[in-house]
Amino acid sequence: GAVVSQHPSRVICKSGTSVKIECRSLDFQATTMFWYRQFPKQSLMLMATSNEGSKATYEQGVEKDKFLINHASLTLSTLTVTSAHPEDSSFYICSGYIGGLNEQFFGPGTRLTVL
Amino acid sequence: AQTVTQSQPEMSVQEAETVTLSCTYDTSESNYYLFWYKQPPSRQMILVIRQEAYKQQNATENRFSVNFQKAAKSFSLKISDSQLGDTAMYFCAFMKPEYGNKLVFGAGTILRVKS
Repeated sequence: GAVVSQHPSRVICKSGTSVKIECRSLDFQATTMFWYRQFPKQSLMLMATSNEGSKATYEQGVEKDKFLINHASLTLSTLTVTSAHPEDSSFYICSGYIGGLNEQFFGPGTRLTVL
Repeated sequence: AQTVTQSQPEMSVQEAETVTLSCTYDTSESNYYLFWYKQPPSRQMILVIRQEAYKQQNATENRFSVNFQKAAKSFSLKISDSQLGDTAMYFCAFMKPEYGNKLVFGAGTILRVKS
């Protein structure tokens, strides 16, 4: 149980375009989802906390107008990278939180490459 | 703010031997959760083991065990009978539900198991 999926797993886009990444909790309801960014051989950096039905809370230094997060249902959160640039190329990971377990369950990640 | 420190950027161990990964953290709180995650080359984050701070007994999961020293704020991971499949990046993480259920990650330790 507690499976989280992400789609797409890989995406390549041109500079200036927008890309949407989906994060779904497949067998549980996630009132809270988290979005992380990870560069090669580095740790996970929390970008934002997404709560169902409310605005996302962004970490300091993360541009909320560039990284749009929507958590429209208890099983789906989306991250849209707007006007992507090469420096946005990274590995993006989401997680769903189960309160009763005090634990986050991670998706497999999305590799974004901006040309 | 809570911080998590992993002082070993890389480690290697021979197959079937035992290795210990170090983790220290800084907090003034008394109730919290600690985790060790494994990230293999696939980059899927996998929970290895968790420890609730109020529990004095060290957590154990098969070949994985922790040495939780609350006063010293230390949370090391011991891997016994190392296997090639244990090769991965290992992250230590801290969480306190009252702080939005956010995970604070260490920088990670790359573990290579050699045959």
